[in-house]
Amino acid sequence: AQSVTQLDSHVSVSEGTPVLLRCNYSSSYSPSLFWYVQHPNKGLQLLLKYTSAATLVKGINGFEAEFKKSETSFHLTKPSAHMSDAAEYFCVVSEGDWGKLIFGQGTELSVKP
Amino acid sequence: GAVVSQHPSRVICKSGTSVKIECRSLDFQATTMFWYRQFPKQSLMLMATSNEGSKATYEQGVEKDKFLINHASLTLSTLTVTSAHPEDSSFYICSARLNPGLSSYEQYFGPGTRLTVT
Repeated sequence: AQSVTQLDSHVSVSEGTPVLLRCNYSSSYSPSLFWYVQHPNKGLQLLLKYTSAATLVKGINGFEAEFKKSETSFHLTKPSAHMSDAAEYFCVVSEGDWGKLIFGQGTELSVKP
Repeated sequence: GAVVSQHPSRVICKSGTSVKIECRSLDFQATTMFWYRQFPKQSLMLMATSNEGSKATYEQGVEKDKFLINHASLTLSTLTVTSAHPEDSSFYICSARLNPGLSSYEQYFGPGTRLTVT
């Protein structure tokens, strides 16, 4: 069975500093991996996705993630945090051929002025 | 493109009544839609997979008689919470899969419906 673990429940950074949100996955075969962002009381927005193409994936709003098979990791990064980045972030793995999504526990990102 | 809407965005109902939540894919057809539940400060929990023209597949522990799902067309799935109780109060989110034949398995999410049962 596939699973995903987000290593930090809460990350706090200062505006203008780098962001690192950590995610490890478990999968019996080559997975599809996603990062979604959720602002308070809103639905989810796709930031980026990995589907066995380039291991470094660039997403929207300056975010990117690197798929590292040897470390079973898919960490999300951004060089410089913006106040508007404050939100909940979910690392997600797709299970099976019919696309059931398995969500991580979420990481709350706070950005201090 | 790939916009999913939900209606209503927020609903308050009395205990014992039923509530219907609609999920629509606005600019694409979706043979498969998913319904999730999210408690405050928690992750999304998949409740069921809704397939157009067939019965929904429920996840373990989800009562199918309480959470009725109908996927009558390629752009609309509905979730009806029957005989609602305060413990059913939650944030319900639907998603639709854009292209089931491709390998990306990408889902587009609706904005969610906040249900409060009093």
